[in-house]
Parts: sequence; C-alpha cells; structure tokens
Amino acid sequence: NAGVTQTPKFRVLKTGQSMTLLCAQDMNHEYMYWYRQDPGMGLRLIHYSVGEGTTAKGEVPDGYNVSRLKKQNFLLGLESAAPSQTSVYFCASSYLQGNQPQHFGDGTRLSIL
Amino acid sequence: KNQVEQSPQSLIILEGKNCTLQCNYTVSPFSNLRWYKQDTGRGPVSLTIMTFSENTKSNGRYTATLDADTKQSSLHITASQLSDSASYICVVSGRGSYIPTFGRGTSLIVHP
Repeated sequence: NAGVTQTPKFRVLKTGQSMTLLCAQDMNHEYMYWYRQDPGMGLRLIHYSVGEGTTAKGEVPDGYNVSRLKKQNFLLGLESAAPSQTSVYFCASSYLQGNQPQHFGDGTRLSIL
Repeated sequence: KNQVEQSPQSLIILEGKNCTLQCNYTVSPFSNLRWYKQDTGRGPVSLTIMTFSENTKSNGRYTATLDADTKQSSLHITASQLSDSASYICVVSGRGSYIPTFGRGTSLIVHP
C-alpha cells in the first residue's frame, strides 16, 4: 500500500518554464490537497479538490493550476515558473474533510532559478 | 486573521525525558485541532485529531490536550526516544472552512 506518491521528488526549473507535479493516492480518498512549505512558515494550502472533476482555490492559488480528472490523481501545474515558487510542495488526501486525518506524500522539492 | 502559534520554536531534551509542546490559536469558529509529526525530508504524519468536545487524546507515548475555552492545546511526549526527533506541527480547522491554519512547528531534538 503506497499511500500518497508524489513525482518528481526533485526538480530545478528556469524562470518562465512550465511543469506539472503529479500526486497519486491509492486509498480511494475523496479529498485531495496541494500545499507549499517554506522556511519559517507553516504549510499553506494552494488548491484542493473535494472529488473527481472538482477543484477549488486555497490560501495561495496565484500562479498555479490544478486538475483532478481521475479520483486517484491530483495534478499541480506551474504555467510560468517564478523564483517565488521555489518551495517544497506536499500533496495530501483524506477520506472526508471533517475530522479525518490527512495523509501526506513525501514532497517535491522545486527550485526556480 | 486566523493564527496558530507554537512554542517553543525548538527544544533539545535527553532520551528518556518527557516534554510538552504548546499551541495557541485564534481560529473561530473552531472545528478540530490536529497534531502532526514531520521527520526531516518527509511529509507530515497525523498523531491526533481533537474536536470541540474532546479534551484529551492519546496515541502511544503522545498525549494531546485541548482547552477550547482558552484556545490552547499541548502535546506531551512521554519517555522520549531518538526517533522522536522531528518537527511537530499544530493545525487548526475552522467550522465550514476547507482551509486549515498551520503553525510553524516545534523542532524537537532528542539526544542520547
């Protein structure tokens, strides 16, 4: 049982390049989330999804797009990467939104030069 | 603005000792409070979840308490082990909101 898998684990981009981060979960969870974690700050929610085909903005959505075409996958896209998007990105999933634990992947470390 | 403040920022203890981490929050209306453990280079792992009506929740050597009136929570670690070295993150969710508020975490180092 893999849980939540994120690919790639590391990536270096140049300013203006685009890329997609992939998150896959095998727990049949309805809810999926993308967070970023920056030094000295708590995790911040970028976008989330409450089910297949749905997405919604979180706390810091600017510069990112997401898609959830399949229940098990949640994609995070950077159309034109900026140095301010250098961060560690975490994907999480949960069965429901309420009092359920979120299961996190091990992160994607992204550097924008 | 919703805020979650954790203290201390960092803590060093000897193996076998107990310790208590603090979390104060301003999130309202309150839905639940979670404690996560995050090892270096890994994603956070859930330790406990507490709702308004719960004031204590245990998970092995980890015991979380919640005082919803004063908006305070603590995480007590008993008989610490080297593997407890990690960052401990407090997260508070408001009722009706999908956007949780994360604390910055307490970095715990356990020395042999």
